[in-house]
Amino acid sequence: LAKTTQPISMDSYEGQEVNITCSHNNIATNDYITWYQQFPSQGPRFIIQGYKTKVTNEVASLFIPADRKSSTLSLPRVSLSDTAVYYCLVGNQGGKLIFGQGTELSVKP
Amino acid sequence: DAGITQSPRHKVTETGTPVTLRCHQTENHRYMYWYRQDPGHGLRLIHYSYGVKDTDKGEVSDGYSVSRSKTEDFLLTLESATSSQTSVYFCAISEVTGLAGGVEQFFGPGTRLTVL
Repeated sequence: LAKTTQPISMDSYEGQEVNITCSHNNIATNDYITWYQQFPSQGPRFIIQGYKTKVTNEVASLFIPADRKSSTLSLPRVSLSDTAVYYCLVGNQGGKLIFGQGTELSVKP
Repeated sequence: DAGITQSPRHKVTETGTPVTLRCHQTENHRYMYWYRQDPGHGLRLIHYSYGVKDTDKGEVSDGYSVSRSKTEDFLLTLESATSSQTSVYFCAISEVTGLAGGVEQFFGPGTRLTVL
């Protein structure tokens, strides 16, 4: 199972770009990298998923280097409502999907 | 939002009593999961299912059992609840996305369980 390591917490200000990096040194060849967002008292919500290089959607970008041993979630121009816990998850095919500790992002005015 | 419901949403019980939590989906997804989340911790996988009657252990399966007799329902049972099982329990479902095996999980609203 690929173990993930993220910073425990990060602070930012409104309007800034936030980059959260996740390490997954023993990622398997067929593993995907997925990021989730969780607000208090709610279940996690899917943000973005990728396998290699760069993926972008309407809310975030995901950068994955060629060796795939890490990934970076990029949130452009954060707002107060982006204050949440962000989880990096590595896995595939609906198998044993293990979450890491997550990164608590605090966005200040 | 994915059609996932959990019942009950809140429960208070006493040590030593059996407790069953239910997860119900209307998406016909193959995979279902039970996680627990405690203050200051991330989500920890208890058990998961990869099909009807097919289940496997997660990270913290001791003291828990599961059953999946039909696609839409995944039950989590605490045979004899202990105070250490006080937690918020989340159910999730997933299906493989695309041809290459990427997975997107959808989570239920959670069940807050207190064991006195």
